[in-house]
Amino acid sequence: EPEVTQTPSHQVTQMGQEVILRCVPISNHLYFYWYRQILGQKVEFLVSFYNNEISEKSEIFDDQFSVERPDGSNFTLKIRSTKLEDSAMYFCASSEATPAGTGELFFGEGSRLTVL
Amino acid sequence: TQLLEQSPQFLSIQEGENLTVYCNSSSVFSSLQWYRQEPGEGPVLLVTVVTGGEVKKLKRLTFQFGDARKDSSLHITAAQPGDTGLYLCAGVQSGYSTLTFGKGTMLLVSP
Repeated sequence: EPEVTQTPSHQVTQMGQEVILRCVPISNHLYFYWYRQILGQKVEFLVSFYNNEISEKSEIFDDQFSVERPDGSNFTLKIRSTKLEDSAMYFCASSEATPAGTGELFFGEGSRLTVL
Repeated sequence: TQLLEQSPQFLSIQEGENLTVYCNSSSVFSSLQWYRQEPGEGPVLLVTVVTGGEVKKLKRLTFQFGDARKDSSLHITAAQPGDTGLYLCAGVQSGYSTLTFGKGTMLLVSP
């Protein structure tokens, strides 16, 4: 069964360092997303990506964050200068259609980021 | 104020019991999805409901979308320890395209 894969599964970094989280969405999906979940809190939307550009982003997704689809398979989230409060589980998701069109999201297993 | 309020936050029951968890909002949703999440893993989609009043069944799980498309419920019959997990509802508000999650209901089913 096709699945979304994420790497690394866990990354520990020092405050102020740059981090890149990688995702391989399901191959025939057109919409890509990053969500995050701080320990004990709800899953929060960060950004959605379609047709090689950001389609929506939340207030969390400030100038420290960027996304890229560098080739036909990878979808990356970069945090330019990490802060302690960026520590969270980051989930990548993909869908065939937009959620507004009842597109169903398929999530990866997440990348746990710990900022020290 | 949360867009999607889930209740209860935590539910601990014995194997074989029935239960219902709720997802409520003051907003109208074009669609609503239920996910289950296990510790250290990503949410896994269980069902999508689209039409007001819609009922969908997935084995022992019954999902209902409210007539006004503002709320939903998940009913589990004869719960099993394998049903243990965090149940999340997530919806797309009418006129928007972003999927927003509730905080979830943590279900623990003991043998």
